[in-house]
Amino acid sequence: QQQVKQSPQSLIVQKGGISIINCAYENTAFDYFPWYQQFPGKGPALLIAIRPDVSEKKEGRFTISFNKSAKQFSLHIMDSQPGDSATYFCAAADNYGQNFVFGPGTRLSVLP
Amino acid sequence: EPEVTQTPSHQVTQMGQEVILRCVPISNHLYFYWYRQILGQKVEFLVSFYNNEISEKSEIFDDQFSVERPDGSNFTLKIRSTKLEDSAMYFCASSESSPEQFFGPGTRLTVL
Repeated sequence: QQQVKQSPQSLIVQKGGISIINCAYENTAFDYFPWYQQFPGKGPALLIAIRPDVSEKKEGRFTISFNKSAKQFSLHIMDSQPGDSATYFCAAADNYGQNFVFGPGTRLSVLP
Repeated sequence: EPEVTQTPSHQVTQMGQEVILRCVPISNHLYFYWYRQILGQKVEFLVSFYNNEISEKSEIFDDQFSVERPDGSNFTLKIRSTKLEDSAMYFCASSESSPEQFFGPGTRLTVL
């Protein structure tokens, strides 16, 4: 019940395209859902996060869509750029945020 | 912009040796965390620390692991007797208030 599933494992997108990464969870106690971006050799960097009281959150080219009933959330990267090439991790935590459960990651490659 | 720092960036040790990984969290943050990431795998929660005590720990965080905040700025992870399977990237994170966590660049631990 603590698992967070993530797909696809890898994604190749042309420059200017839309990248979509999906995650699903089971634990209904989770109520904080961040996305982290990780470049090789670096630590995960917080990209955007959402709580279940909203269905969508947008920050620049990054949008999280959240479906509480389906227990799914997704990251959309609009106008994808080669600089977006990285590994993206979704995560989930309860309101206390003590224990982040990470998805397995999606390696995104944006072709120039 | 304030950031979490970690030292060393790479630590090589012999199996059975003790290692101490160091972190300097963001200065006004109150919650501290350690995570590990085995090469190519997802980020896994180890332990959270608040008010000078462990608030939560995972199954990975067994008796070989300990954490300490020896002074007002450092947060350390000690592994008493390293095993080959302890080889991983270790990330420190901190947050001002849950759940938004900021990660450091990591320490790569190699156990020979």
